[in-house]
Amino acid sequence: AQSVTQLGSHVSVSEGALVLLRCNYSSSVPPYLFWYVQYPNQGLQLLLKYTTGATLVKGINGFEAEFKKSETSFHLTKPSAHMSDAAEYFCAVSARGSYIPTFGRGTSLIVHP
Amino acid sequence: EPEVTQTPSHQVTQMGQEVILRCVPISNHLYFYWYRQILGQKVEFLVSFYNNEISEKSEIFDDQFSVERPDGSNFTLKIRSTKLEDSAMYFCASSESGAGGPRGELFFGEGSRLTVL
Repeated sequence: AQSVTQLGSHVSVSEGALVLLRCNYSSSVPPYLFWYVQYPNQGLQLLLKYTTGATLVKGINGFEAEFKKSETSFHLTKPSAHMSDAAEYFCAVSARGSYIPTFGRGTSLIVHP
Repeated sequence: EPEVTQTPSHQVTQMGQEVILRCVPISNHLYFYWYRQILGQKVEFLVSFYNNEISEKSEIFDDQFSVERPDGSNFTLKIRSTKLEDSAMYFCASSESGAGGPRGELFFGEGSRLTVL
């Protein structure tokens, strides 16, 4: 069975600062990995996903994540935070060939002016 | 842009009452899902549905829960006799079908918040 751990329930950054949201996964074989975002009063939206190929994955809104097998990590980054990035971010994992995600607890990103 | 829609956005009910949450998946999607998120906890998988039957379900999805596709557009989650611990945000999702199973990511609705008093 796959699982993910998101370090930090809340991350606070200043506008323009680097965003780093951490995610580590547990899986016996390399899984599929996802980041979803949930803006206030909205549903879950896929930011990016890793299935195969290039380990650095670029997503929407300037976010990217890198799959590091040796570290079992899939951290989400963005070079410069914007106020509109304030949201809940969920890392998720699924078995290879399945797109049914198992979610982490989520990290709330707070962006200060 | 096609989207998954859910109704109601918020429902308050008394313990022991039946609740039906409704979802309209994206029209060309054939796989449907329900997830839930209890306040402050993980988003948890409940059930997946394909070809008018459950394809996978979690241990949370016990006999109190049922799903149905009553017509060509709606996908419903019924909780037969609600308990306090059923209070949560319930998310519906859908995905495309490929060879041998779902293909591509899940598209989620905005959720239905259920409050059981």
